[in-house]
Amino acid sequence: EVQLVESGGGLVKPGSSLKLSCVASGFTFSSYGMHWIRQAPKKGLEWIALIYYDSSNKYYADSVKGRFTISRDNSKNTLYLEMNSLRSEDTAMYYCAKFGNYGSSWGQGVMVTVSS
Amino acid sequence: DIQMTQSPSSLPASLGERVTISCRASQGISNNLNWYQQKPDGTIKPLIYYTSNLQSGVPSRFSGSGSGTDYSLTISSLEPEDFAMYYCQQDASFPNTFGAGTKLELK
Repeated sequence: EVQLVESGGGLVKPGSSLKLSCVASGFTFSSYGMHWIRQAPKKGLEWIALIYYDSSNKYYADSVKGRFTISRDNSKNTLYLEMNSLRSEDTAMYYCAKFGNYGSSWGQGVMVTVSS
Repeated sequence: DIQMTQSPSSLPASLGERVTISCRASQGISNNLNWYQQKPDGTIKPLIYYTSNLQSGVPSRFSGSGSGTDYSLTISSLEPEDFAMYYCQQDASFPNTFGAGTKLELK
């Protein structure tokens, strides 16, 4: 069974940094591209980043480009999202997700709150 | 960016009723359209991928169809656990974009 477990969220001040992790199990992590998707309170879903299976390519939404960095460690089955220069509008639930030929799997999400 | 227009935003319905949610892309997305259900606790459940393929474990009362720019999700006979938020998503191009959501609620 595919499992994705996010961690690392919390309450931080504007301008600070935070690094999220997503530990994967139940599939060959090193064979799949991985995504981060977020949802602000009472809002819809927003795709924010993708990393290829071998880290050869990374894509970002304009809203986070230059501030967020997606990375992975295939030896640890772990996906990361390093978030810098955080703003109040980054307050959201952050989900990691695996997409493949037979659909997707999502984690339960981790909450990030940016507030002074 | 491809814009996804989802309708209706709210859908009151009764148990056993057949309902359809629509999603229109601002340009053709070649069937690269997925559907998700989100429960009030935030849990996201993938339902359908590539327009019409049922994700493993999803009941057969869910179905998807469409082509070009117009897509739809149909639930043939509503069960109590189906009342939730539904989102469409295109993954034809980056950034992948989602519809604004449809709240399926008990009439």
